[in-house]
Amino acid sequence: KNEVEQSPQNLTAQEGEFITINCSYSVGISALHWLQQHPGGGIVSLFMLSSGKKKHGRLIATINIQEKHSSLHITASHPRDSAVYICAVYGATNKLIFGTGTLLAVQP
Amino acid sequence: NAGVMQNPRHLVRRRGQEARLRCSPMKGHSHVYWYRQLPEEGLKFMVYLQKENIIDESGMPKERFSAEFPKEGPSILRIQQVVRGDSAAYFCASSSPGLIYEQYFGPGTRLTVT
Repeated sequence: KNEVEQSPQNLTAQEGEFITINCSYSVGISALHWLQQHPGGGIVSLFMLSSGKKKHGRLIATINIQEKHSSLHITASHPRDSAVYICAVYGATNKLIFGTGTLLAVQP
Repeated sequence: NAGVMQNPRHLVRRRGQEARLRCSPMKGHSHVYWYRQLPEEGLKFMVYLQKENIIDESGMPKERFSAEFPKEGPSILRIQQVVRGDSAAYFCASSSPGLIYEQYFGPGTRLTVT
C-alpha cells in the first residue's frame, strides 16, 4: 500500500463544475503539498499546508491532521485547469513522498 | 527573484554516453533535492544535498548515478553510461535552511536515451 493515496485517479468534469480531489496518507507529516503538472510541463506548487485551510483564487485546500486526509477543491472549473494534480507529504524521513496523481480533464 | 533553474530542459543521449543535469536553486536556498519521474509513473525522491554535503541519497540507484552540490555553482546530477531505462523527467527542488519542507520546483530536464 502506498504511503500517499489519491482519489480519483482520473476525473472528467464539465466547465463550471466544482471539483474535489482527495489525498490520504499513512505517515506522520510536517507538511503537505498540492502540486500541479501540465502534460510535458514543469511542476507548480499550489499549496503547502500543515493545518486548516488555504485559498488562492478558485483553489481551496484543506487538511485534517487527525484523519490524515487532505482535499483540493476547484470552484468554477475551466479547461485551463486540466492537468495532473499531485499530493505530496513531507514526513519524518525528511523527504517528499508523492501520490500517483489525479489526471483532471475539464471539458468546455 | 529568479526561481529554480534547470538546464538543459531537454537532453538526448545515446546509450553509453554520460548525462549531466544542472540545477541552480533559488537565491538564498542552500538545500537541493533531485526527483525522477519515469514515464507513466509518479515522482520519486533521489537525493538531498546541502552545499558540499550529501544528506540523503537513499533514492539514488547504486551504480552510474552521482550528485554533487559544490560550494560555488549549480548542483549536478550525473548519469554515466546511460541506458534506455534512464529516460525520464528529472526535477530539482530547493529550500531554505529554515524551511526545508517548503520546496520550490524547477522546470525539469527531460532526458531521452536513444
